[in-house]
Amino acid sequence: NAGVTQTPKFRILKIGQSMTLQCAQDMNHNYMYWYRQDPGMGLKLIYYSVGAGITDKGEVPNGYNVSRSTTEDFPLRLELAAPSQTSVYFCASSYGQSRGGNEQFFGPGTRLTVL
Amino acid sequence: AQTVTQSQPEMSVQEAETVTLSCTYDTSESDYYLFWYKQPPSRQMILVIRQEAYKQQNATENRFSVNFQKAAKSFSLKISDSQLGDAAMYFCAYRRRSGGGADGLTFGKGTHLIIQP
Repeated sequence: NAGVTQTPKFRILKIGQSMTLQCAQDMNHNYMYWYRQDPGMGLKLIYYSVGAGITDKGEVPNGYNVSRSTTEDFPLRLELAAPSQTSVYFCASSYGQSRGGNEQFFGPGTRLTVL
Repeated sequence: AQTVTQSQPEMSVQEAETVTLSCTYDTSESDYYLFWYKQPPSRQMILVIRQEAYKQQNATENRFSVNFQKAAKSFSLKISDSQLGDAAMYFCAYRRRSGGGADGLTFGKGTHLIIQP
């Protein structure tokens, strides 16, 4: 199993550009998440999904959009990039409610810089 | 809303010694999970240990153990026989049990652990 994969690993955007961060998992997890990690801070939840076609906002959703058309993929869309979106982005996944503890498995992260 | 606080931005320990990282949290829930994650320079988030709030027994994983004080809302991580490979950022995280984890984890700001050879 590849686990949780993210592309790209690094990206530099200009202010106002758009891009999509890709995330895929091959563990047949129902739940998927997007977090951002700012320098010197812990991770903060942007969006989450409990299954294909179902998404919801986390703590810091402004400036982002998501979709979940399949169980495996959970892309994060940045529209009109701003310097405040400079961060490291992590995708994660976990089993659904039937699995106690619900350990989250994390991807390797995408470092995004907006100039 | 729940919060997680790690009051030690940085800790340093001699190799082979024992170190304790502190974490406190605030929640109105009675049933929840607590986690310690390790983040080495590679950025990969690695689960170190997990504690279920309804279990009184402290969790242990090899050299890693926790001191869970539910009434005090405290969840510290003890690393015994510290090794150079333990050097990393350590994050304390919380998740409520209800909802099955759908709403994600709440993280502290992290503690940077330095291992002195």
